[in-house]
Amino acid sequence: GENVEQHPSTLSVQEGDSAVIKCTYSDSASNYFPWYKQELGKGPQLIIDIRSNVGEKKDQRIAVTLNKTAKHFSLHITETQPEDSAVYFCAASRWDSNYQLIWGAGTKLIIKP
Amino acid sequence: EAQVTQNPRYLITVTGKKLTVTCSQNMNHEYMSWYRQDPGLGLRQIYYSMNVEVTDKGDVPEGYKVSRKEKRNFPLILESPSPNQTSLYFCASSSGQVSYEQYFGPGTRLTVT
Repeated sequence: GENVEQHPSTLSVQEGDSAVIKCTYSDSASNYFPWYKQELGKGPQLIIDIRSNVGEKKDQRIAVTLNKTAKHFSLHITETQPEDSAVYFCAASRWDSNYQLIWGAGTKLIIKP
Repeated sequence: EAQVTQNPRYLITVTGKKLTVTCSQNMNHEYMSWYRQDPGLGLRQIYYSMNVEVTDKGDVPEGYKVSRKEKRNFPLILESPSPNQTSLYFCASSSGQVSYEQYFGPGTRLTVT
């Protein structure tokens, strides 16, 4: 079955710098890749997603890139701010999986002032 | 306000005492799911439901039961809780049509002693 690996488990960056979180997946049939942000004491919330027919997607300071050949995708956050501190999860899904997401283990992002 | 609610938010119980965690969504979503979150393991799916009276096992269903008698509600039942079910539990829902976005509840922190 599908397996999603996420790295690093913890990432500490200076405020204003960029942060990159990487995920790899095993099932070449996966075609939907969302990223969720979990703030302390809350449930995860979708921040950006990408489908396999697109190589890159941006939304203000966040972007996701997808390399289907290498089976990896990455979350990029530029000009990091204190409110970016959270746990970030990547996930993968395939069109015939009844909306089932296979989740990465999560990355704790710490923004240092 | 569109939301997923869970109750209770915090629960401390003893081994073997049956409990139910309720989940309700007001978005008319067909898909609902239960996850548990443990440190270093990310989100693991317990059970999911594609619609009323349609449920299926996720990755870690042992020791749990669910039911979907109404579209808006998806309770999680632990008939004989054990200490290894101590965890943070999340309910989520999705329309599963135009968007695969999953909307999460605020979580239920369960401790079984």
